[in-house]
Amino acid sequence: ETGVTQSPTHLIKTRGQQVTLRCSSQSGHNTVSWYQQALGQGPQFIFQYYREEENGRGNFPPRFSGLQFPNYSSELNVNALELDDSALYLCASSLVPYATNEKLFFGSGTQLSVL
Amino acid sequence: GESVGLHLPTLSVQEGDNSIINCAYSNSASDYFIWYKQESGKGPQFIIDIRSNMDKRQGQRVTVLLNKTVKHLSLQIAATQPGDSAVYFCAENFFGQGGSEKLVFGKGTKLTVNP
Repeated sequence: ETGVTQSPTHLIKTRGQQVTLRCSSQSGHNTVSWYQQALGQGPQFIFQYYREEENGRGNFPPRFSGLQFPNYSSELNVNALELDDSALYLCASSLVPYATNEKLFFGSGTQLSVL
Repeated sequence: GESVGLHLPTLSVQEGDNSIINCAYSNSASDYFIWYKQESGKGPQFIIDIRSNMDKRQGQRVTVLLNKTVKHLSLQIAATQPGDSAVYFCAENFFGQGGSEKLVFGKGTKLTVNP
């Protein structure tokens, strides 16, 4: 286990709705990154939060937004859901921004289905 | 553009054989590459990394080879075991606009180890 927990594990929404996904980072980690993984694809970087501020963003529209709280847990919010938003959403935590090696820990993800 | 891809989407080997998983990358300016393993229902797990000033790096039963001339990366797994069955991703540390960094993942290769 990586110590990164995500909730819920599965979620079904309809097109146009809004969704909030949650992530608890590993103890002591102040950086959280979110990734979208479509079926059969590699994860794609959505954005990163470091000490409660956005610290880098991938090619995702503004309807993808996030928050990081003082305890470093994080939320990913997606508004106006589209069918193509159906994917596994992964959260990863680290001690420092842009850690990419064994010091980056992924959660097991939230599987979002948009109908 | 951003593109890290894999030559083969699936690979099936016999237990005890050696496995070789290949990856092509497109950004010649990238200087850091990582291999991840993703088991069903879990997030990616770091396996091994390599910097562009190296052409080979070995870990426990795994070796990563980097050929910068042809922008090719490979992961070799010695004496493959059933527990090695998973999807393997190569990832490239990509430097975007404004100096931001992010991981760019390939599509993945599904490795199946037959007993």
